[in-house]
Amino acid sequence: NAGVTQTPKFQVLKTGQSMTLQCAQDMNHEYMSWYRQDPGMGLRLIHYSVGAGITDQGEVPNGYNVSRSTTEDFPLRLLSAAPSQTSVYFCASSNPGLTYSPLHFGNGTRLTVT
Amino acid sequence: RKEVEQDPGPFNVPEGATVAFNCTYSNSASQSFFWYRQDCRKEPKLLMSVYSSGNEDGRFTAQLNRASQYISLLIRDSKLSDSATYLCVVGPFNTGTASKLTFGTGTRLQVTL
Repeated sequence: NAGVTQTPKFQVLKTGQSMTLQCAQDMNHEYMSWYRQDPGMGLRLIHYSVGAGITDQGEVPNGYNVSRSTTEDFPLRLLSAAPSQTSVYFCASSNPGLTYSPLHFGNGTRLTVT
Repeated sequence: RKEVEQDPGPFNVPEGATVAFNCTYSNSASQSFFWYRQDCRKEPKLLMSVYSSGNEDGRFTAQLNRASQYISLLIRDSKLSDSATYLCVVGPFNTGTASKLTFGTGTRLQVTL
């Protein structure tokens, strides 16, 4: 049982490049989400999904796209990278059917945009 | 005022000490409260949920004060391994749906010999 798996762990992009951050979970969780974490700020929600085929925007969605074709996978796409997107990105999943269901996080992707 | 506020610390305490952190929240309709632990350069992990009546898990005690809109985390008999950043998380619903959770910026704890 791997939990939530994120790849890559580190990435350096040039401004304007695109890339996809991968996220997969094997816990059959309906809910998946992407956060970014910046110094001095709490984790901020980028996009989330409550099930396959359903996605919605979080607090800071601009510059990012997501899709949820299966329950297991929730990739995050950066369309045209900007230095402001330099951050640590965490994917998370949870089971919304349980009260106080915790978020299970992947181990993060450190992205630098130059 | 931020939705969720925490003292960033660091709190430097000797091993064996008792330390407490508070976290204030602005939305009086908040219903779900959590403490997460985040080690340096790692992902956050749930430490404990915070229930209305307060709850304890070993050396850790969490309390909720709705009147003053804050939650607290008390750590007794601090261990070196408790050194981490503690994130306060608040949500509007008493459910597992996490789309509306708000994370604090964290309080850093450093336990020393």
